[in-house]
Amino acid sequence: SSELTQDPAVSVALGQTVRITCQGDRLRSYYASWYQQKPGQAPVLVIYGKNNRPSGIPDRFSGSSSGNTASLIISGAQAEDGADYYCNSRDSSGADVVFGGGTKLTVL
Amino acid sequence: QVQLVESGGGLVKPGGSLRLSCAASGFTFSDYYMSWIRQAPGKGLEWVSYISSTGSTIYYADSVKGRFTISRDNAKSSLYLQMNSLRADDTAVYYCARWMITTVGVVTSYYFDFWGQGTLVTVSS
Repeated sequence: SSELTQDPAVSVALGQTVRITCQGDRLRSYYASWYQQKPGQAPVLVIYGKNNRPSGIPDRFSGSSSGNTASLIISGAQAEDGADYYCNSRDSSGADVVFGGGTKLTVL
Repeated sequence: QVQLVESGGGLVKPGGSLRLSCAASGFTFSDYYMSWIRQAPGKGLEWVSYISSTGSTIYYADSVKGRFTISRDNAKSSLYLQMNSLRADDTAVYYCARWMITTVGVVTSYYFDFWGQGTLVTVSS
Protein backbone atom coordinates (compact mmCIF):
# COMPACT_ATOMS: atom_id res chain seq x y z
CA SER A 1 0.00 0.00 0.00
CA SER A 2 1.11 3.56 -0.73
CA GLU A 3 2.48 5.68 2.10
CA LEU A 4 0.81 8.66 0.44
CA THR A 5 -2.99 8.63 0.52
CA GLN A 6 -5.15 10.36 -2.08
CA ASP A 7 -8.89 10.35 -2.67
CA PRO A 8 -9.57 8.11 -5.70
CA ALA A 9 -11.90 10.58 -7.40
CA VAL A 10 -12.88 14.22 -7.13
CA SER A 11 -15.20 16.32 -9.26
CA VAL A 12 -15.48 20.06 -9.79
CA ALA A 13 -17.82 22.30 -11.72
CA LEU A 14 -16.32 24.19 -14.62
CA GLY A 15 -14.72 27.41 -13.41
CA GLN A 16 -14.82 26.46 -9.74
CA THR A 17 -11.93 25.77 -7.39
CA VAL A 18 -10.92 22.26 -6.38
CA ARG A 19 -8.46 20.95 -3.84
CA ILE A 20 -6.81 17.57 -4.29
CA THR A 21 -5.14 16.28 -1.14
CA CYS A 22 -2.29 13.92 -0.33
CA GLN A 23 -1.65 12.64 3.19
CA GLY A 24 1.45 10.99 4.62
CA ASP A 25 3.77 11.27 7.59
CA ARG A 26 6.76 12.03 5.39
CA LEU A 27 5.04 15.19 4.18
CA ARG A 28 5.98 16.71 7.52
CA SER A 29 9.60 16.52 6.34
CA TYR A 30 9.45 16.76 2.55
CA TYR A 31 7.39 18.78 0.13
CA ALA A 32 5.18 16.82 -2.23
CA SER A 33 5.40 17.19 -5.99
CA TRP A 34 2.33 16.86 -8.18
CA TYR A 35 1.86 15.32 -11.63
CA GLN A 36 -0.96 15.49 -14.13
CA GLN A 37 -1.54 12.52 -16.41
CA LYS A 38 -4.02 12.34 -19.25
CA PRO A 39 -4.98 9.03 -20.91
CA GLY A 40 -2.23 7.57 -23.05
CA GLN A 41 0.27 10.27 -22.07
CA ALA A 42 3.26 10.49 -19.78
CA PRO A 43 2.86 12.33 -16.48
CA VAL A 44 3.62 16.05 -16.43
CA LEU A 45 5.01 17.89 -13.42
CA VAL A 46 2.63 20.67 -12.34
CA ILE A 47 3.79 21.67 -8.84
CA TYR A 48 7.02 21.13 -6.91
CA GLY A 49 8.66 22.44 -3.77
CA LYS A 50 6.80 24.85 -1.53
CA ASN A 51 4.62 26.12 -4.41
CA ASN A 52 6.52 26.22 -7.69
CA ARG A 53 5.15 25.77 -11.19
CA PRO A 54 7.31 24.62 -14.10
CA SER A 55 7.35 26.75 -17.19
CA GLY A 56 4.16 26.36 -19.19
CA ILE A 57 1.92 25.33 -16.29
CA PRO A 58 -1.01 27.76 -15.91
CA ASP A 59 -1.08 29.88 -12.77
CA ARG A 60 -4.44 28.42 -11.79
CA PHE A 61 -2.41 25.50 -10.42
CA SER A 62 -0.97 26.03 -6.95
CA GLY A 63 0.23 23.97 -4.02
CA SER A 64 0.08 24.18 -0.26
CA SER A 65 1.12 22.09 2.69
CA SER A 66 0.10 21.79 6.33
CA GLY A 67 1.26 19.13 8.73
CA ASN A 68 1.01 15.75 7.05
CA THR A 69 -1.19 16.98 4.20
CA ALA A 70 -0.19 18.45 0.85
CA SER A 71 -2.75 19.99 -1.47
CA LEU A 72 -2.94 20.74 -5.15
CA ILE A 73 -5.36 23.57 -5.79
CA ILE A 74 -6.86 24.36 -9.18
CA SER A 75 -8.54 27.76 -9.16
CA GLY A 76 -11.06 28.11 -11.96
CA ALA A 77 -10.88 24.56 -13.27
CA GLN A 78 -11.02 24.17 -17.03
CA ALA A 79 -12.28 21.23 -19.04
CA GLU A 80 -8.72 20.34 -20.02
CA ASP A 81 -7.80 19.91 -16.35
CA GLY A 82 -9.73 16.67 -16.22
CA ALA A 83 -7.01 14.08 -15.64
CA ASP A 84 -5.37 11.83 -13.08
CA TYR A 85 -3.25 13.61 -10.51
CA TYR A 86 -0.47 11.98 -8.48
CA CYS A 87 1.48 13.26 -5.53
CA ASN A 88 5.03 12.13 -4.84
CA SER A 89 7.60 12.36 -2.07
CA ARG A 90 10.29 10.37 -0.31
CA ASP A 91 9.13 7.37 1.71
CA SER A 92 9.47 6.74 5.44
CA SER A 93 13.04 5.48 5.07
CA GLY A 94 14.05 8.75 3.46
CA ALA A 95 15.84 6.79 0.76
CA ASP A 96 13.11 5.48 -1.47
CA VAL A 97 10.47 7.32 -3.43
CA VAL A 98 6.72 6.92 -3.22
CA PHE A 99 3.70 7.99 -5.23
CA GLY A 100 0.18 8.45 -4.01
CA GLY A 101 -2.49 6.22 -5.48
CA GLY A 102 -3.76 8.99 -7.72
CA THR A 103 -6.91 11.11 -7.91
CA LYS A 104 -9.14 11.14 -10.98
CA LEU A 105 -10.42 14.68 -11.47
CA THR A 106 -13.66 15.15 -13.40
CA VAL A 107 -14.59 18.65 -14.53
CA LEU A 108 -18.38 18.85 -14.84
CA GLN B 1 14.96 21.06 -25.18
CA VAL B 2 15.09 18.15 -22.77
CA GLN B 3 14.20 14.83 -24.36
CA LEU B 4 14.06 11.35 -22.89
CA VAL B 5 13.38 8.47 -25.26
CA GLU B 6 12.87 4.96 -23.92
CA SER B 7 13.31 1.81 -25.95
CA GLY B 8 13.65 -1.93 -25.47
CA GLY B 9 10.15 -2.85 -24.35
CA GLY B 10 8.28 -5.81 -25.73
CA LEU B 11 6.71 -9.18 -25.00
CA VAL B 12 8.69 -11.57 -22.83
CA LYS B 13 7.85 -14.86 -21.16
CA PRO B 14 7.75 -15.21 -17.37
CA GLY B 15 11.26 -15.78 -16.07
CA GLY B 16 12.77 -14.00 -19.03
CA SER B 17 14.92 -10.91 -19.26
CA LEU B 18 14.74 -7.55 -20.98
CA ARG B 19 16.96 -4.46 -21.07
CA LEU B 20 15.41 -1.04 -21.32
CA SER B 21 17.31 2.00 -22.52
CA CYS B 22 16.63 5.70 -22.17
CA ALA B 23 18.44 8.13 -24.44
CA ALA B 24 18.73 11.63 -23.00
CA SER B 25 19.38 14.88 -24.82
CA GLY B 26 19.06 18.61 -24.28
CA PHE B 27 20.82 18.72 -20.93
CA THR B 28 24.09 17.67 -19.28
CA PHE B 29 23.12 14.11 -18.44
CA SER B 30 26.04 13.52 -16.09
CA ASP B 31 24.83 16.27 -13.75
CA TYR B 32 21.51 14.67 -12.86
CA TYR B 33 19.99 11.82 -10.93
CA MET B 34 17.76 9.62 -13.08
CA SER B 35 14.97 7.21 -12.30
CA TRP B 36 12.69 4.52 -13.69
CA ILE B 37 8.99 4.62 -12.88
CA ARG B 38 6.38 2.18 -14.11
CA GLN B 39 2.63 2.04 -14.52
CA ALA B 40 0.71 -1.21 -14.80
CA PRO B 41 -2.32 -1.13 -17.11
CA GLY B 42 -5.10 0.86 -15.48
CA LYS B 43 -3.05 1.40 -12.31
CA GLY B 44 -1.12 4.20 -10.69
CA LEU B 45 2.51 5.20 -10.85
CA GLU B 46 5.10 3.06 -9.09
CA TRP B 47 8.67 4.17 -8.56
CA VAL B 48 11.14 1.43 -9.56
CA SER B 49 14.69 2.70 -9.05
CA TYR B 50 16.96 5.72 -9.09
CA ILE B 51 20.63 6.28 -9.69
CA SER B 52 22.81 9.24 -8.75
CA SER B 53 24.63 11.36 -11.29
CA THR B 54 27.85 9.37 -10.95
CA GLY B 55 26.18 6.01 -10.43
CA SER B 56 27.52 5.70 -6.91
CA THR B 57 24.11 5.74 -5.21
CA ILE B 58 21.37 3.37 -6.30
CA TYR B 59 18.07 2.41 -4.72
CA TYR B 60 15.34 0.00 -5.74
CA ALA B 61 11.74 -0.57 -4.80
CA ASP B 62 11.28 -3.75 -2.77
CA SER B 63 9.17 -5.20 -5.59
CA VAL B 64 12.15 -5.32 -7.97
CA LYS B 65 15.12 -5.61 -5.63
CA GLY B 66 17.42 -8.47 -6.61
CA ARG B 67 15.85 -8.79 -10.07
CA PHE B 68 16.36 -5.40 -11.70
CA THR B 69 19.59 -3.45 -12.16
CA ILE B 70 19.76 0.24 -13.02
CA SER B 71 22.86 1.66 -14.66
CA ARG B 72 23.97 4.61 -16.73
CA ASP B 73 26.58 5.55 -19.29
CA ASN B 74 27.27 9.26 -18.95
CA ALA B 75 29.47 9.26 -22.06
CA LYS B 76 26.45 8.09 -24.07
CA SER B 77 23.86 10.10 -22.09
CA SER B 78 21.96 6.91 -21.54
CA LEU B 79 20.11 5.22 -18.70
CA TYR B 80 19.43 1.50 -18.56
CA LEU B 81 17.27 -0.97 -16.69
CA GLN B 82 18.22 -4.64 -16.83
CA MET B 83 15.20 -6.69 -15.86
CA ASN B 84 15.66 -10.37 -14.99
CA SER B 85 13.31 -13.05 -13.65
CA LEU B 86 10.36 -11.14 -15.03
CA ARG B 87 6.91 -11.86 -13.66
CA ALA B 88 3.41 -11.14 -14.90
CA ASP B 89 3.06 -8.32 -12.39
CA ASP B 90 6.04 -6.54 -13.99
CA THR B 91 3.79 -5.83 -16.98
CA ALA B 92 3.68 -2.05 -17.26
CA VAL B 93 4.68 1.01 -19.18
CA TYR B 94 8.17 1.94 -18.01
CA TYR B 95 9.10 5.62 -17.93
CA CYS B 96 12.50 7.14 -17.42
CA ALA B 97 12.51 10.49 -15.70
CA ARG B 98 14.98 13.10 -14.60
CA TRP B 99 14.98 13.44 -10.83
CA MET B 100 15.62 16.84 -9.41
CA ILE B 101 16.92 17.40 -5.91
CA THR B 102 17.03 21.07 -4.95
CA THR B 103 17.77 22.64 -1.59
CA VAL B 104 16.67 26.12 -0.56
CA GLY B 105 17.90 26.97 2.91
CA VAL B 106 17.18 23.89 5.03
CA VAL B 107 14.44 22.53 2.81
CA THR B 108 15.11 19.95 0.11
CA SER B 109 12.60 19.32 -2.67
CA TYR B 110 12.48 16.20 -4.81
CA TYR B 111 10.61 15.96 -8.09
CA PHE B 112 10.62 14.40 -11.56
CA ASP B 113 10.72 17.31 -13.94
CA PHE B 114 10.98 15.55 -17.31
CA TRP B 115 9.59 12.18 -18.39
CA GLY B 116 9.99 10.04 -21.46
CA GLN B 117 6.99 8.77 -23.42
CA GLY B 118 7.35 5.30 -21.94
CA THR B 119 7.97 1.81 -23.28
CA LEU B 120 5.57 -1.10 -22.74
CA VAL B 121 6.81 -4.31 -21.19
CA THR B 122 4.43 -7.26 -21.34
CA VAL B 123 5.26 -10.43 -19.43
CA SER B 124 3.10 -13.28 -20.61
CA SER B 125 3.38 -16.85 -21.78
